Amino acid sequence: DTEVTQTPKHLVMGMTNKKSLKCEQHMGHRAMYWYKQKAKKPPELMFVYSYEKLSINESVPSRFSPECPNSSLLNLHLHALQPEDSALYLCASSHGDLSYEQYFGPGTRLTVT
Amino acid sequence: GEDVEQSLFLSVREGDSSVINCTYTDSSSTYLYWYKQEPGAGLQLLTYIFSNMDMKQDQRLTVLLNKKDKHLSLRIADTQTGDSAIYFCALSYGQNFVFGPGTRLSVLP
Repeated sequence: DTEVTQTPKHLVMGMTNKKSLKCEQHMGHRAMYWYKQKAKKPPELMFVYSYEKLSINESVPSRFSPECPNSSLLNLHLHALQPEDSALYLCASSHGDLSYEQYFGPGTRLTVT
Repeated sequence: GEDVEQSLFLSVREGDSSVINCTYTDSSSTYLYWYKQEPGAGLQLLTYIFSNMDMKQDQRLTVLLNKKDKHLSLRIADTQTGDSAIYFCALSYGQNFVFGPGTRLSVLP
């Protein structure tokens, strides 16, 4: 199983809403990532969890709150977002501390109204 | 810091070879990757090369790495319409991934 799954596929939320994005992998990977991708741009790294601990936070606003309940799951909690946060949010995973072969999920297309 | 560059667009005729280029500034990366992204989809890992290799071939894909010139390329032989997508090169520095801006490949019939 080389699949990373993400739910929901699409999400529309207002600026006062609270929502969560979910990511799951069953490849035994111990590192998981959140990326943000704007249209016609490359993905930008937001967070890295390594062995269920947050190891990298790329100066992301606090309205984005990551959570790693266990080694297979990664959540991104959203609160009080702005329209400019509309983007494709990608989850990825890789073996332990070696970042080669990051496997990406299909992404969640988020629209903030 | 790391800087990765790619040309933004490439058009080829079906059946021809495509060559997508990538240049970078920081050569401390251990692995160098090529990802493919189709419209509305996530990124698909196509292939990668270890930094001490010069070439890697995988079916229709050939990766060339010129460490002296800090240049990475992806050649797609016998390009098909299904190869139309955006291709990103990426370099790994520890757990950080740095992506190039992506090259949009258009395959003309």
